[in-house]
Amino acid sequence: DTAVSQTPKYLVTQMGNDKSIKCEQNLGHDTMYWYKQDSKKFLKIMFSYNNKELIINETVPNRFSPKSPDKAHLNLHINSLELGDSAVYFCASSQAPRAHTEAFFGQGTRLTVV
Amino acid sequence: DAKTTQPTSMDCAEGRAANLPCNHSTISGNEYVYWYRQIHSQGPQYIIHGLKNNETNEMASLIITEDRKSSTLILPHATLRDTAVYYCIVRPEGTGGFKTIFGAGTRLFVKA
Repeated sequence: DTAVSQTPKYLVTQMGNDKSIKCEQNLGHDTMYWYKQDSKKFLKIMFSYNNKELIINETVPNRFSPKSPDKAHLNLHINSLELGDSAVYFCASSQAPRAHTEAFFGQGTRLTVV
Repeated sequence: DAKTTQPTSMDCAEGRAANLPCNHSTISGNEYVYWYRQIHSQGPQYIIHGLKNNETNEMASLIITEDRKSSTLILPHATLRDTAVYYCIVRPEGTGGFKTIFGAGTRLFVKA
């Protein structure tokens, strides 16, 4: 069983569209994240959720709206897609950060906006 | 911004040890050193972490200097499948861990 799974794996869409990426973890973790990896390969934190509550929002545009219906899911909805949104988006989960928590990452969703 | 500096890239011969250095001269007392790697087109994968003492697991060893200002990740017998970008991360315990910051990492090429 995949620990952290994202769907879809690839997403090609036109500018101005609205799209969602789904993420599910079966590890029983309290904390979930979204990261963005751009064309330069830098991996940047976007959001952190703990027990369905938003903890970190790294100055992400309002067009990005994460939604956590339960602790096992953290979906990412993006409105009015722009060319600059093209990137690979990774979902991750971990136990709530304490002395040691390792994060488990999904396989990524490659979003291409044309 | 990342609190670590790493070489941009390194080569290693297959079967030899790969030693990946990391500088974290501004590390605080409650901050751990974590290593992750990202194999092409996959999500990052946890390797190992440490606070003060050297650590070893089935994947790698982590050597942290006594002043904790630098560390080295050692892959004892590198294989072609170890070709990846390796990220050294400094992360505080507690709620600071909600914001794990990745730097540019070291691109390790393992050659036959």
